[in-house]
Amino acid sequence: EVQLVESGGGLVQPGGSLRLSCAASGFNFNNYWMSWVRQAPGKGLEWVANIKEDGSQKYYVDSVRGRFSISRDNSKNSLDMHMKNLRVEDTAVYYCVREAGAFDIWGQGTMVTVSS
Amino acid sequence: EVVLTQSPATLSLSPGERATLSCRASQSVSSYVAWYQQKPGQAPRLLIYDASSRATGIPARFSGSGSGTDFTLTISSLETEDIAVYYCQQRIKWPPTFGQGTKVEIK
Repeated sequence: EVQLVESGGGLVQPGGSLRLSCAASGFNFNNYWMSWVRQAPGKGLEWVANIKEDGSQKYYVDSVRGRFSISRDNSKNSLDMHMKNLRVEDTAVYYCVREAGAFDIWGQGTMVTVSS
Repeated sequence: EVVLTQSPATLSLSPGERATLSCRASQSVSSYVAWYQQKPGQAPRLLIYDASSRATGIPARFSGSGSGTDFTLTISSLETEDIAVYYCQQRIKWPPTFGQGTKVEIK
């Protein structure tokens, strides 16, 4: 079964850091670009970042560039996102997503709450 | 960035009725539009990619059409399990962007 499972969410104070992880299974992980997409409470979807199959290219939405860092370990079928200098507006469910043209496989999401 | 505007914001229909959801792009995105369904408390699910291709396992009552700036998702005969928010998304212009969503509810 093709599956993505996120972990690492939680409550963090403004200015703090957090690391999200995503474990992939059921497909050849190193053949796909991977993305993080987030959804603030009661709001729509926002693409955050993505990474090429071999990790050589990474892209970020303007609002997180310089604060978030996406990475992957193809030997462990895992995707990470290191988040620093977190802001209240980063509060959201973060989804790990496989790219096959469209975003075809989504994890269940992990909640990140930035609050004092 | 490309702005996707979805209409209507909410669609209230009876079971068996036809649902027509619209997505308009602020500039041409060719046919690189996808549609997603998100049920309450769940992750989004891919329905349609490249404007009109159904994703694996998606029922035939879901169809997509359009190109350029105007796109449509049609549910030919609404079922109660189709209650959800539907999002369009474009991938041809960086960054990938989503519409704000259309909520489909049962009348």
